[in-house]
Amino acid sequence: DTEVTQTPKHLVMGMTNKKSLKCEQHMGHRAMYWYKQKAKKPPELMFVYSYEKLSINESVPSRFSPECPNSSLLNLHLHALQPEDSALYLCASAPTAWNTEAFFGQGTRLTVV
Amino acid sequence: AQSVAQPEDQVNVAEGNPLTVKCTYSVSGNPYLFWYVQYPNRGLQFLLKYITGDNLVKGSYGFEAEFNKSQTSFHLKKPSALVSDSALYFCAVRVVSSGSARQLTFGSGTQLTVLP
Repeated sequence: DTEVTQTPKHLVMGMTNKKSLKCEQHMGHRAMYWYKQKAKKPPELMFVYSYEKLSINESVPSRFSPECPNSSLLNLHLHALQPEDSALYLCASAPTAWNTEAFFGQGTRLTVV
Repeated sequence: AQSVAQPEDQVNVAEGNPLTVKCTYSVSGNPYLFWYVQYPNRGLQFLLKYITGDNLVKGSYGFEAEFNKSQTSFHLKKPSALVSDSALYFCAVRVVSSGSARQLTFGSGTQLTVLP
C-alpha cells in the first residue's frame, strides 16, 4: 500500500461549523504533514508530526487544530473558519522528517461559506 | 534563507520536443532536492530526488534531472514531451526547521503546456 488517503474529498462548511479532515497511511511512515494550497500556488506548510509528536507549527491560527492519534492517522480539526481559509488541504507522509521524499494524498477541497 | 526558485511561470513546448523546467536552489550544506508534478484538482506526485551520488537522476514517466553544484541548479528534463505531461511542476528542497525535522519547501511552480 503506497497511498495516502484523505477524507472527505470535498467539504463545504459555514463559519460557525466544526469539522475535521482525516488522513491515513499504512506505509509505516513516521512523519506526517498538513499543507494548505491556494489555486496555482505552491503548498504552504502548516504542521509536521514526527513520531506522533508535533515538530513544526508554522504559526497557524488556532482555528486549525492538528491531532495525531497514532502513527497511521492524522486529523485536522476546523472551527470558526473564515472564507479566506477556503483552499485545497493536502496531507503527506514520509519515512522520516529528515531527508526523504514525502508522498501526498489527493487533498480535501474546502470551501468556507 | 534556504529556498528553491523556479524562474519561469509558464513553459510551452511542442509534443515530441525536449522539455526543460528550471529550478535553482539556495541552501547551506548538502541540498536534498525533489521534483513533484500536480494535475488539476489532484495532490502532488513525486517524480524524482537528489540526495547524493550521480548528478543525473532518473525518475518516473521518463523524467530526469541534472544536479549542478557550480550553478546551484536542478533542472527537470524529458527528451520527448507528451501532451499528457501538461501539468504544474514544483521543485522542492528539504530545509532545516528544527532539531528533529527538515521541512519540505516548494518553489513557486511552473505550468508546463505541451502543444499537440
